[in-house]
Amino acid sequence: DIQLTQSPSFLSASVGDRVTITCRASQGISSYLAWYQQKPGKAPKLLIYAASTLQSGVPSRFSGSGSGTEFTLTISSLQPEDFATYYCQQLNSYPPLTFGGGTKVEIK
Amino acid sequence: EVQLVESGGGLVQPGGSLRLSCAASGFTFSSYAMHWVRQAPGKGLEYVSAISSNGGSTYYANSVKGRFTISRDNSKNTLYLQMGSLRAEDMAVYYCARLTYDILTGYPDAFDIWGQGTMVTVSS
Repeated sequence: DIQLTQSPSFLSASVGDRVTITCRASQGISSYLAWYQQKPGKAPKLLIYAASTLQSGVPSRFSGSGSGTEFTLTISSLQPEDFATYYCQQLNSYPPLTFGGGTKVEIK
Repeated sequence: EVQLVESGGGLVQPGGSLRLSCAASGFTFSSYAMHWVRQAPGKGLEYVSAISSNGGSTYYANSVKGRFTISRDNSKNTLYLQMGSLRAEDMAVYYCARLTYDILTGYPDAFDIWGQGTMVTVSS
């Protein structure tokens, strides 16, 4: 199975900061990577798929990049509603459709 | 409105059984592979099980293989997860999710629709 490693696992940032989260795959997954946002008590919400395609309705301050084994999720200017936990997921080798361990973004 | 609504969670003793349901609406359920993902309290997302659109193919994580059974009734637009021999480590919120595909390549894109989740508590 493909393993996904997210870094950092915890991030403290201020409103307006530029934030970058990294997801590394244990083997190449082309661009078959998705990013999700999860707030406490809620289901995950799809942000980005195919590594860089923004899901409809997601603000443009979110962006994704990468291919192969290294991917990034960037929030260009952190907003109060962005404080949440973010997960990457690989969809190249299926099943299983594995998730990364998550990155919790908290207010500094 | 496209949505998934889970039900069936609750408190069960170790070794007990429970059946979760996921009712789909607003889309052609029979056209989509469906999946179960769980999240233990304070932990990350764990991929549990999957079933193809016609129910002919299934997948189970090693952690639940032999104890859980995924199924679907396309006439009722409903996905199921029959859970048996439950253990403390199965305690989690269980989500059903729809996998969407790139219409040009046929490759999977992402879980675009998730249910609200149903909590399974395993305790004596």
